[in-house]
Amino acid sequence: GAVVSQHPSRVICKSGTSVKIECRSLDFQATTMFWYRQFPKQSLMLMATSNEGSKATYEQGVEKDKFLINHASLTLSTLTVTSAHPEDSSFYICSAKGTGDYEQYFGPGTRLTVT
Amino acid sequence: QKEVEQNSGPLSVPEGAIASLNCTYSDRGSQSFFWYRQYSGKSPELIMSIYSNGDKEDGRFTAQLNKASQYVSLLIRDSQPSDSATYLCSSAGNMLTFGGGTRLMVKP
Repeated sequence: GAVVSQHPSRVICKSGTSVKIECRSLDFQATTMFWYRQFPKQSLMLMATSNEGSKATYEQGVEKDKFLINHASLTLSTLTVTSAHPEDSSFYICSAKGTGDYEQYFGPGTRLTVT
Repeated sequence: QKEVEQNSGPLSVPEGAIASLNCTYSDRGSQSFFWYRQYSGKSPELIMSIYSNGDKEDGRFTAQLNKASQYVSLLIRDSQPSDSATYLCSSAGNMLTFGGGTRLMVKP
């Protein structure tokens, strides 16, 4: 199957700082990437969908100015959590799919802890 | 009404038994369906895809699709403790829609 990587796998930051998470498709061109957040013992929550070269589409209730998404190439999307607060601590997972594909392939996730 | 519904469980089965996981969906236009497995603290992993009515087998896993009744199921034969995880059902349109997941516990 297709491989998606995420970096970093874990990050701890102080309240008020910003954190950037990278998502890369390693062996295919990802025309669409998705960002999810998952709190402990809860379901995946879609945050936003991004298509290469265009602005991300955010789900209702997700602040676009707080969660900045960039999908500048067919293999890389980034999520920047700006002015992070402890309530932003969560497991952030990206997924990617290629043109014409229905399957999404998930990255390994990034565990963010804001102190 | 959620577009993809799953029983949250937990579903508990003894080792060696068949685990049956079920899912219903509301969008009759959905054509593709996927089962993902998610271990605690890890991201989801695609384990099965099914596109047409009937059964699709892959090792110990069998996916079943019934478009008339709008349900998808996953059977796991000879369940092992290592199968203990949350199983996510999803249907595909422009994007995947996930059910809430069913937690499976296989007891030795």
